Amino acid sequence: DGGITQSPKYLFRKEGQNVTLSCEQNLNHDAMYWYRQDPGQGLRLIYYSQIVNDFQKGDIAEGYSVSREKKESFPLTVTSAQKNPTAFYLCASTPTGSTDTQYFGPGTRLTVL
Amino acid sequence: SQQGEEDPQALSIQEGENATMNCSYKTSINNLQWYRQNSGRGLVHLILIRSNEREKHSGRLRVTLDTSKKSSSLLITASRAADTASYFCATDEVTGGGNKLTFGTGTQLKVEL
Repeated sequence: DGGITQSPKYLFRKEGQNVTLSCEQNLNHDAMYWYRQDPGQGLRLIYYSQIVNDFQKGDIAEGYSVSREKKESFPLTVTSAQKNPTAFYLCASTPTGSTDTQYFGPGTRLTVL
Repeated sequence: SQQGEEDPQALSIQEGENATMNCSYKTSINNLQWYRQNSGRGLVHLILIRSNEREKHSGRLRVTLDTSKKSSSLLITASRAADTASYFCATDEVTGGGNKLTFGTGTQLKVEL
């Protein structure tokens, strides 16, 4: 089954803790993206990576970090510096670095207690 | 910043009726895409229209693009209860986009039996 997987589906974290969200794809896509979605809102870009070992900040990168050591994996760490981390996080990928169709994972809902 | 703004924010119709959603954007674009999101799930790509195209069809979907007015519309004909979802437009800006999409705030569509 080809696609993008995100884990876990639901994640609870205490204030002050870092947490890492997983995103894996077996589509052989070059580019991967992380978005944040708040209730009733659109998607805001956190980080994106067009190639292994390279990534760029999106519109709301503060308080987040990423790595891209493998083509198929793009984990996102939500650090304690992120002031309002409770949100729905979506990972996506595209075949190349172009802006054609993005393929989305099912999302991870992070709640900070 | 949100490039695309959808209108209306919410729409409720009866099954069998047509649903029209609009998207306005601010800068010149290479393409505009429409995505669908069921509650609590990832986004699914519906259709892409390029800046040199004016209209595109896919099944019950019809998308128009007016670059002079910087606007697009998505028409869903003969709606079904299963069409209930949020619909987002996403734009690829010509300049400064850096190979990334900017998503609008979405239209919540409810199709009632």
